[in-house]
Amino acid sequence: DAGITQSPRHKVTETGTPVTLRCHQTENHRYMYWYRQDPGHGLRLIHYSYGVKDTDKGEVSDGYSVSRSKTEDFLLTLESATSSQTSVYFCAIRPGGHTEAFFGQGTRLTVV
Amino acid sequence: AQTVTQSQPEMSVQEAETVTLSCTYDTSESDYYLFWYKQPPSRQMILVIRQEAYKQQNATENRFSVNFQKAAKSFSLKISDSQLGDAAMYFCAFASGTYKYIFGTGTRLKVLA
Repeated sequence: DAGITQSPRHKVTETGTPVTLRCHQTENHRYMYWYRQDPGHGLRLIHYSYGVKDTDKGEVSDGYSVSRSKTEDFLLTLESATSSQTSVYFCAIRPGGHTEAFFGQGTRLTVV
Repeated sequence: AQTVTQSQPEMSVQEAETVTLSCTYDTSESDYYLFWYKQPPSRQMILVIRQEAYKQQNATENRFSVNFQKAAKSFSLKISDSQLGDAAMYFCAFASGTYKYIFGTGTRLKVLA
């Protein structure tokens, strides 16, 4: 599982509330990613990070923010959740020397 | 901007037969990487096979092989001797030197006993 832990694994929240998803890795990899998966869209990049406090936006970053204050944790925050953010969220890492990404188990978020 | 297209939303194959999943991509880069990921009902994303664009030889991993046509920007996955456990969503993905992975919309593969 490449040492990636996502928490929570499932969450139901109400529209307008803030939500934070956590991605934790145990091996100090520089590159970390947040994707969302929706039917008919595949996986789309929300934000990524290439080091502590170094982050950049992906193609669907509106409504999301991220923070990476230490190597092992990459947090994704929905400032004010909307129903359109109901999705499965995946964290991924790219170890040095590898070309491929390794994924966490995903978080199913439902906004009601 | 790079794009990845999987034009087959769903495919079916008889157990023990061979199936090919299609993927095309668009990029102006000359050096990049291509991947096929498998997502079974467990939701876990599993790397099936990868190909470096600078390598002319098609990648092979046991029953899985690719047909990489760089000029045509095509990257198809062939699964030989299909097994029930191969039933899953399959995603084609692209990454250039920035390592931002771009995924297709996926192909759901059904394996018929």
